This record gives sequence, structure tokens and C-alpha cells, in this order.
Amino acid sequence: DSGVTQTPKHLITATGQRVTLRCSPRSGDLSVYWYQQSLDQGLQFLIQYYNGEERAKGNILERFSAQQFPDLHSELNLSSLELGDSALYFCASSVEGTSGYEQYFGPGTRLTVT
Amino acid sequence: EDKVVQSPLSLVVHEGDTVTLNCSYEVTNFRSLLWYKQEKKAPTFLFMLTSSGIEKKSGRLSSILDKKELFSILNITATQTGDSAIYLCAALIQGAQKLVFGQGTRLTINP
Repeated sequence: DSGVTQTPKHLITATGQRVTLRCSPRSGDLSVYWYQQSLDQGLQFLIQYYNGEERAKGNILERFSAQQFPDLHSELNLSSLELGDSALYFCASSVEGTSGYEQYFGPGTRLTVT
Repeated sequence: EDKVVQSPLSLVVHEGDTVTLNCSYEVTNFRSLLWYKQEKKAPTFLFMLTSSGIEKKSGRLSSILDKKELFSILNITATQTGDSAIYLCAALIQGAQKLVFGQGTRLTINP
């Protein structure tokens, strides 16, 4: 158990809908990362937040957005869902201190778009 | 474009064998190389390598980084069925702090 929690574990929804995935980082970690894992693309970095501020963006679609709240939990919002958005979505956290760059992953949310 | 390539993509061995997994990278602003083990769901952290030539060990697993040749290897000795998993390597990009992952090596250990 990494200490990173994600909810829900599974989500099934229809095309065109909007969903919100939630992540709580490990205690003391200020940085949260979102990744998407699909069979054909592997693990892809989406976005990073550090202490409430967006720090880095990867291959995140415009239909997707995220935020990190004052209590450091983060939400990833996916809208106008398409079949191709079906994937495992992971959240990871890290301390981001001088020695704490390891990222620890949560259990993931499996999204199925039908 | 930042790229991480792992080989082999798949490996099947017998319990007790020693395996070597390879990871090469071509990224700008490289900071560190990380190895993860992914069984059913979440990748679990194994090693982070920042300096060249310094081996990191944890039980039967060890890893080393060569920053001149831009690769890393992960060794597993005396393999056990519980070592069966997908092993992912990832390059940590300085500044952006993002991880760029390889495709993974699917390791199967047969009894």
C-alpha cells in the first residue's frame, strides 16, 4: 500500500458524459501527478500539481482538466467522453524535496466508456 | 521527443534463473531513472538511480545506471514465481518533474 488513495476504483459511463476522478496523496506529499494507462499507449503523463499550482502538462486533452485543492487532494475531470478514453487513470504523489523525487502510485481508477 | 525503450518486451524463464531487463533513454533534461514493478494494478516503486555506476540493491534485485551510454539494467537473481509482473522503467525529467515511461517488460516466471 503506497499511501495514495484514489476513488472510485471502477467507473462505467456513456460517451458524451463527464466524470470526476479523485486522488489523495500520501501524507506530507505536496505534488500530485496524473497518468493514463491504455493498452496501446502505455503509461502517459497527463498533468502535475504542486501545492495547489499547476506545474507541468503532458499529453492531456483539452476535454480533460485537473485541480489540486488546499487540503492537497486532486481531482481529474474528464468531459465529452469518447470510447478511446477508456483506460486506467493513476494518480501519483511525491514529496518533491531534495531527496524525495520518487513518485508513489495509487491503485488507479478503471474508466470504461460505452 | 523524449523516449524510453525497454527490452525485451516479454521474457519467460524458469524459477531460479537470473534475468536482466534493459532500459535505454533519450530525453532532454534527464534527472533520474526509476524502476517500477506492476502486478495487478498500481506500479510499485523499486529503485531510483541518479548517479552513474552506483549499483542499488534490494534483496535479489539490483540496478545500475550508465549516463554516458544512456541505459539502465535491472537484474533479478534466483527468480521466484512472485517476481512475475510487468517491469517499467521511467526517466524523470528535471524541471517538469514528469516521468516518461517505457513500454514495460512482461516477465513470467514458471515453476
